[in-house]
Amino acid sequence: DAKTTQPPSMDCAEGRAANLPCNHSTISGNEYVYWYRQIHSQGPQYIIHGLKNNETNEMASLIITEDRKSSTLILPHATLRDTAVYYCIVLLYTDKLIFGTGTRLQVFP
Amino acid sequence: EAGVTQFPSHSVIEKGQTVTLRCDPISGHDNLYWYRRVMGKEIKFLLHFVKESKQDESGMPNNRFLAERTGGTYSTLKVQPAELEDSGVYFCASSQEMAGGNNEQFFGPGTRLTVL
Repeated sequence: DAKTTQPPSMDCAEGRAANLPCNHSTISGNEYVYWYRQIHSQGPQYIIHGLKNNETNEMASLIITEDRKSSTLILPHATLRDTAVYYCIVLLYTDKLIFGTGTRLQVFP
Repeated sequence: EAGVTQFPSHSVIEKGQTVTLRCDPISGHDNLYWYRRVMGKEIKFLLHFVKESKQDESGMPNNRFLAERTGGTYSTLKVQPAELEDSGVYFCASSQEMAGGNNEQFFGPGTRLTVL
């Protein structure tokens, strides 16, 4: 079973920041937080990951709370092409991804 | 650099027939994974190869499914005989590193399997 909890859906206006929350209260010390997304029926796409520190790349920023029990994925300037299902995944030592139901993000004009 | 490729993109077969799905990982990636999403459900892990060895096959649903990765390059997933509940999208992913937790997986476009 997935070890994360995400809201089922969110809306965001184009050009605004999209902030997607994730709860992972049972995360252990050596587990990473990964974010993937699936656009329509394509294969999942890696976005970003982190362990303790906040991370930023060309796609997004990841903010992890100090107690590591929750995190937020930030898309700084959402576009229509960011409409997708976003998955927050805690990576087990076995390296397999366990997908939950994710958050369906709808970006509107 | 070519990404993960999967063949075929779509397959429609009748119940009881056999289907073989193929995945070509990114060159140099030792780790290869199979996942699938059946109708209305979440994406589920099937198995994980490290080179040609099965590292974890805990997600394989039953013995009608057989995965191979001869030579540690491409992989095949055979379903024999196919059942209606096998319909869904089968994804393959590959990754380069196996340092605990730091493992970005690159996914292919998937094979949509329909069993009639």
